[in-house]
Amino acid sequence: GNSVTQMEGPVTLSEEAFLTINCTYTATGYPSLFWYVQYPGEGLQLLLKATKADDKGSNKGFEATYRKETTSFHLEKGSVQVSDSAVYFCALSDLRGSDMRFGAGTRLTVKP
Amino acid sequence: DTAVSQTPKYLVTQMGNDKSIKCEQNLGHDTMYWYKQDSKKFLKIMFSYNNKELIINETVPNRFSPKSPDKAHLNLHINSLELGDSAVYFCASSSDQTSYNEQFFGPGTRLTVL
Repeated sequence: GNSVTQMEGPVTLSEEAFLTINCTYTATGYPSLFWYVQYPGEGLQLLLKATKADDKGSNKGFEATYRKETTSFHLEKGSVQVSDSAVYFCALSDLRGSDMRFGAGTRLTVKP
Repeated sequence: DTAVSQTPKYLVTQMGNDKSIKCEQNLGHDTMYWYKQDSKKFLKIMFSYNNKELIINETVPNRFSPKSPDKAHLNLHINSLELGDSAVYFCASSSDQTSYNEQFFGPGTRLTVL
C-alpha cells in the first residue's frame, strides 16, 4: 500500500540556517504529494503541494520538488526563522484523495 | 469564518464514560475524516465519509463510531472510554472536485481519559 517515510526529528537549527527535511514515498500510480505544518496547539495546515512529477511546490519560503525517479519530496528552506518552529508532515494521496497517508512528522525548533 | 470546526476543544472524562466530539465544515466538501494524533504526534486515520458512506475504517475499535447526519457534519462517538483513548482528535474535509484533494483540518479536540 501507499506509505510515506520522513526523517526523524527532532531537528534544532539556529535562525537563518538552511533546512532540509527528507521525505520519500511508496505508491502505486501517480499520487499527489503534500507538506503540512502543525504549529503548537493548532491543527494541520497545508504548506505546499505538488500533483505531478517535477512539479515544485512553494510557500512562505519553503520549497519541495516532486521527484518520481527518487520517489522523494524533500522540504527545504534557505533561511529559517524562529516562527517556523513546528511539526512538519509529509503526505501523499491517491487520485481519489480519500486515502491520504501521513509521515510520522518532524519537529523543528529554531533558536534565535 | 471557520472552515472546519470541532467541539469541544478540550474534553476530560473518566474511564468507562461515553462521549461525542462534533465536527462541522462549511466548505461544501464531499468527504470528511477523523484522525487520531498520539503524544508523539503520529497521525492515524480513523474514518472517512463520502456522501454518507463509510469508505475507510483503519482497524479502529468498534467503541468508536462515526455519525454523519448530513454532508457538512461528521461526529465521533466513543463508548466505554479507555486510558489509551487519550489523544488529540482531528476532523478534516476535502472536495472530490479538485485535482489534488487537499484536506482541511479542524483545530483538534484534546481528549484526556482519567
